[in-house]
Amino acid sequence: DMQMTQSPSSVSASVGDRVTITCRASQSISSWLAWYQQKPGKAPRLLIYAASNLQSGVPSRFSGSGSGTEFTLTISSLQPEDFATYYCQQTNTFPVITFGQGTRLEIK
Amino acid sequence: QITLKESGPTLVKPSQTLTLTCTFSGFSVSTNGVAVGWIRQPPGKALEWLALIYWDDDKRYSPSLKNRISITKDTSKNQVVLTMTNMDPGDTATYYCAHSLVDVVSAVTFDIWGQGTLVTVSS
Repeated sequence: DMQMTQSPSSVSASVGDRVTITCRASQSISSWLAWYQQKPGKAPRLLIYAASNLQSGVPSRFSGSGSGTEFTLTISSLQPEDFATYYCQQTNTFPVITFGQGTRLEIK
Repeated sequence: QITLKESGPTLVKPSQTLTLTCTFSGFSVSTNGVAVGWIRQPPGKALEWLALIYWDDDKRYSPSLKNRISITKDTSKNQVVLTMTNMDPGDTATYYCAHSLVDVVSAVTFDIWGQGTLVTVSS
């Protein structure tokens, strides 16, 4: 089965810090990867699609990179509104759509 | 502007069948390249993809649930319906529907989500 593994599971950081979250796929998924942000009690919000493309309206401090089995989401300078949980998602429906387990970004 | 909203029971008993409706506006589910998916999230846990229906009525299901779920669409009503049989307390979760434009670059990426609806399974 396809597995998406995020690391770390949680991270503490301060406003202005640079933060990187990693997502690893158990088999190659080319660039079929998306990143979402979710705040408590809210639906997820799409940040990045096709591994490195910024969704319209998303601040440029968010960026994505990677291909194959290893991907990263980077926030260049944390803002107070960025503290949330982040999920990666394998977007190719073959064999299945799979989400990572999430990375909780907390204020230090 | 695309919007989606989930509706259905907030409480179901074990062994019952759950029917959730996603009512949307701003797009047609019969338009080439459109898909609507269902995703759930147990309290405090991660997102789990459940099912997807494409504009051409092709369907995909999570292997772990495919014997219990079905997804259908009603183009005239702008609705997508998820049915899940034999509900268990472990199915307690917030259920989301979401829109996707399917292409060779982004594949199935959920760009617009409904607000979600919490379904509790308890006797």
